Amino acid sequence: DVKVTQSSRYLVKRTGEKVFLECVQDMDHENMFWYRQDPGLGLRLIYFSYDVKMKEKGDIPEGYSVSREKKERFSLILESASTNQTSMYLCASSRTSGSLGTQYFGPGTRLLVL
Amino acid sequence: AQSVTQLDSHVSVSEGTPVLLRCNYSSSYSPSLFWYVQHPNKGLQLLLKYTSAATLVKGINGFEAEFKKSETSFHLTKPSAHMSDAAEYFCVVSPSGYSTLTFGKGTMLLVSP
Repeated sequence: DVKVTQSSRYLVKRTGEKVFLECVQDMDHENMFWYRQDPGLGLRLIYFSYDVKMKEKGDIPEGYSVSREKKERFSLILESASTNQTSMYLCASSRTSGSLGTQYFGPGTRLLVL
Repeated sequence: AQSVTQLDSHVSVSEGTPVLLRCNYSSSYSPSLFWYVQHPNKGLQLLLKYTSAATLVKGINGFEAEFKKSETSFHLTKPSAHMSDAAEYFCVVSPSGYSTLTFGKGTMLLVSP
């Protein structure tokens, strides 16, 4: 089974702090994704990566950056956390071919910015 | 560009009665369509997917969905609801050949005894 793990289930940070959210997948997937989930808005794509050191902006990249130094690991960075970044963050991974878009999700990190 | 509209934010059913969660999509390409489920405090799990093969797709836990191109719909059904089906359900579209997904806003399914 595909396993996607996220470094923390819950995080509490203060406004202005730099925040790192880590995601690791164990299935050698080429593609990795970061979403945020807010009530009534569904999931919105922040950034994705289709290869090591490659990144693409999603629908809401403002205030975020990402890093992919190794194939299995994809990090989301909040350079200066703000209260409107309080949310559930979900990481996902998928293969480039053969799966026709099926993404596998981690359990999520619930971030509270005070 | 693609988009997904889930027509109900909440659906309430009684245990043992049928479930219908409605989804309409818009896509410039022949899309792949998915339903994902999220139980409370759990990650998203793939329920089923349509990838231009049979238009009636069977998924896990007795759910199925029918792709209707003429109606641009991909409604999710189950003949008999179970208490364990209570969760949030997301309809998702992906243009054929692309890796990114576009999610609907979700439908919360409530199941009463």
